[in-house]
Amino acid sequence: GEDVEQSLFLSVREGDSSVINCTYTDSSSTYLYWYKQEPGAGLQLLTYIFSNMDMKQDQRLTVLLNKKDKHLSLRIADTQTGDSAIYFCAERGGTGGFKTIFGAGTRLFVKA
Amino acid sequence: GAGVSQSPSNKVTEKGKDVELRCDPISGHTALYWYRQSLGQGLEFLIYFQGNSAPDKSGLPSDRFSAERTGGSVSTLTIQRTQQEDSAVYLCASSLGGSGGAGNTIYFGEGSWLTVV
Repeated sequence: GEDVEQSLFLSVREGDSSVINCTYTDSSSTYLYWYKQEPGAGLQLLTYIFSNMDMKQDQRLTVLLNKKDKHLSLRIADTQTGDSAIYFCAERGGTGGFKTIFGAGTRLFVKA
Repeated sequence: GAGVSQSPSNKVTEKGKDVELRCDPISGHTALYWYRQSLGQGLEFLIYFQGNSAPDKSGLPSDRFSAERTGGSVSTLTIQRTQQEDSAVYLCASSLGGSGGAGNTIYFGEGSWLTVV
């Protein structure tokens, strides 16, 4: 079945760039997403990329998609303490149909 | 409403009791999802409703779990004879439709924290 995998933790210093990686197994996925979850809150969409794109930039966020390797990454430039959260990678539109499959989330720690 | 609304936000229940969790999706959203997030775990898909179609129940972990969606809007997730392993955050989400559009973004509620003691 479909699977999405992410590393569980990432620690960076304030001002550095953060890169969060994700791999997925369903090559027919059409949309790939990054969601952010702050402590005690629900998930909030950060950005998404359609499968026919290989890069999308939105202010401090850059999403890179390598469809051949089924690898997605999220780069946060100039990481701030307010970026500390759990970041979820997700995919939909593949064999799971409308069901969106999420990874386990990467907990980002930003050290001042 | 302005966002996805869930209630209760917190629920502590005794093992063996039934619980009901409610979700009020964003007005006009035809698709509704329930996910479960256990401590330190990712999001586990439970069930998906799209319009008047039969729901996708493939993620429900056991027959103690059921969900309804009345009038294409409000949904209730029911857990019968709760067990300690049911303790988790239950997240509801909605989107405009099942497919198409620019990403057809899923919007999440803040979740219902369930603790079974």
